[in-house]
Amino acid sequence: SQTIHQWPATLVQPVGSPLSLECTVEGTSNPNLYWYRQAAGRGLQLLFYSIGIGQISSEVPQNLSASRPQDRQFILSSKKLLLSDSGFYLCAWSVHGGANTEAFFGQGTRLTVV
Amino acid sequence: QKEVEQNSGPLSVPEGAIASLNCTYSDRVSQSFFWYRQYSGKSPELIMSIYSNGDKEDGRFTAQLNKASQYVSLLIRDSQPSDSATYLCAVSRTSGTYKYIFGTGTRLKVLA
Repeated sequence: SQTIHQWPATLVQPVGSPLSLECTVEGTSNPNLYWYRQAAGRGLQLLFYSIGIGQISSEVPQNLSASRPQDRQFILSSKKLLLSDSGFYLCAWSVHGGANTEAFFGQGTRLTVV
Repeated sequence: QKEVEQNSGPLSVPEGAIASLNCTYSDRVSQSFFWYRQYSGKSPELIMSIYSNGDKEDGRFTAQLNKASQYVSLLIRDSQPSDSATYLCAVSRTSGTYKYIFGTGTRLKVLA
């Protein structure tokens, strides 16, 4: 069966510090991968998605970047965090190329920028 | 106009009643529709997916889709206090952008 791992679970970082969040998927090959952010009391905002190694699509211009160095690894980064980067970051995966496929989420990382 | 719209609630129903959650979407090319449940502080978990017009039942949950009206709903029968959560509606296309677009969610409170 497929599993998705995301870490760390919580993170407190000072303004201006760098960020690296990692997500890995097991039990499937060439998945579509996604990074979402959920601000407190808000919906899920799609940040980045990837349909293959090195293929990243950005949805919202901002202080963040994403990379996919390996087939089942997706990394969210920032060089300098802003207060507005605080939120609940969620990685998700879906089957690549399949019609009517569902997205499954990792456990999330709660980031607080202070 | 938001791509996916939901009433934020809270929707309060007594235990044992039917909870009805609604969602509208703006992109007529959307072909796949999903309902997720999210407990406070947790990540969303998939409850139902529906791809064709009509009803789809899974246990106490029924998803209803009307593509002509661009409307999808979720019915929860015999609501339990453990169903209290935020319910997120999501839509996607089956080709092209591979994006899942979410509504802001409806908060459901089941009163014991």
